[in-house]
Amino acid sequence: GEDVEQSLFLSVREGDSSVINCTYTDSSSTYLYWYKQEPGAGLQLLTYIFSNMDMKQDQRLTVLLNKKDKHLSLRIADTQTGDSAIYFCAEIPIPSNTGKLIFGQGTTLQVKP
Amino acid sequence: DGGITQSPKYLFRKEGQNVTLSCEQNLNHDAMYWYRQDPGQGLRLIYYSQIVNDFQKGDIAEGYSVSREKKESFPLTVTSAQKNPTAFYLCASSNDRVNTEAFFGQGTRLTVV
Repeated sequence: GEDVEQSLFLSVREGDSSVINCTYTDSSSTYLYWYKQEPGAGLQLLTYIFSNMDMKQDQRLTVLLNKKDKHLSLRIADTQTGDSAIYFCAEIPIPSNTGKLIFGQGTTLQVKP
Repeated sequence: DGGITQSPKYLFRKEGQNVTLSCEQNLNHDAMYWYRQDPGQGLRLIYYSQIVNDFQKGDIAEGYSVSREKKESFPLTVTSAQKNPTAFYLCASSNDRVNTEAFFGQGTRLTVV
């Protein structure tokens, strides 16, 4: 079945690294996404990875994928107060006839000065 | 600038009323989606449309209706049959079924008074 799980809350100090974790259960090939949602706003796509990749890096963001454990993580280096937001993990199993995103519950990241 | 626009940002509905949420995109995307977000939960798919004059039910379509008469517009009506409509509603559009280029609007917060 389709299910995406995330922890609900993470608190870090400014300048530290943040690691947000996600697990997914679909066994087929899949695209995996990280979205950021600031208060009262829509979702911003941060990055995505296909399930045949192990890692993707984009400036301060590093995505790691453990296919065996179906575990996805998002590492934010040098976390800033502007990174405070809700981070959603999402997947689209392939093939997809709908383009429907399956979302986790979201992880609230709190960055303390 | 290209983008996806939702209006209004805040909407109040009396018991028994129907209300319509607007979603417009000028990205020339074929696919459009409506999601509902409740606190502490991920987004759930209400309806989606992959082409003009065609739309499909998502996971929680009961109490909602949509239309897709134009490529750029995908309005959502929350009917009186929706028993718990208070939520944050997000519209998204995409140029393909894998959503690698999915864009979200800024959302409409609907409150029943």
